Amino acid sequence: NFMLTQPHSVSESPGKTVTISCTGSRGSIARSYVQWYQQRPGSAPTTVIYEDNQRPSGVPDRFSGSIDSSSNSASLTISGLKTEDEADYYCQSYDSGNWVFGGGTRLTVL
Amino acid sequence: QVQLVQSGSELKKPGASVKVSCKASGYSFTTYAMNWVRQAPGQGLEWMGWINTNTGNPMYAQGFTGRFVFSLDTSVSTAYLQISSLKAEDTAVYYCARERNSSGWSDFQRWGQGTLVSVSS
Repeated sequence: NFMLTQPHSVSESPGKTVTISCTGSRGSIARSYVQWYQQRPGSAPTTVIYEDNQRPSGVPDRFSGSIDSSSNSASLTISGLKTEDEADYYCQSYDSGNWVFGGGTRLTVL
Repeated sequence: QVQLVQSGSELKKPGASVKVSCKASGYSFTTYAMNWVRQAPGQGLEWMGWINTNTGNPMYAQGFTGRFVFSLDTSVSTAYLQISSLKAEDTAVYYCARERNSSGWSDFQRWGQGTLVSVSS
């Protein structure tokens, strides 16, 4: 089965930039769009990036997404970190008619 | 505005059944598929499958066949998730989610608030 692997946790200081990776287990991650969701404790997820690099309205341009075919990975980059960015982040893509979520990354802003 | 409103928390005993509802408003219900996502305590998101709201045809992800049933009542724009023969490991928050595009395979733009199902004797 297709899997998406994310680091369990990352941490960075306010004002800095952090990148969260999402690596596909096989094939080409570039073949299907990748989404990124932010989930704060006790709340439903919300989209921060869709279709690899598109930001929904209301999401600050500090959030960006990219694809690196050479490493079969997608990345979510958050610049100018704020304490409010502290949350869990999940990547998502689809394969063979199934949606797949990455395991999630806990971002700590300290 | 588009809203998905789910039913409230449930506490069930092992072996019982539960039915979670997801009432949609603010859009044409049968135009967009409805997805279901599970999140066990302290764990990540797990896609359970989806139901075609136009035909009523469900599609279940691996691991969610047999005890899990998706259904609809289009007259009240509501999707349902029924879980039978509940086990302790079914304890989780269950979300319904609608995609951005009616053609499918786009991000889950709208989510319900989640329904906590707790299974304990």
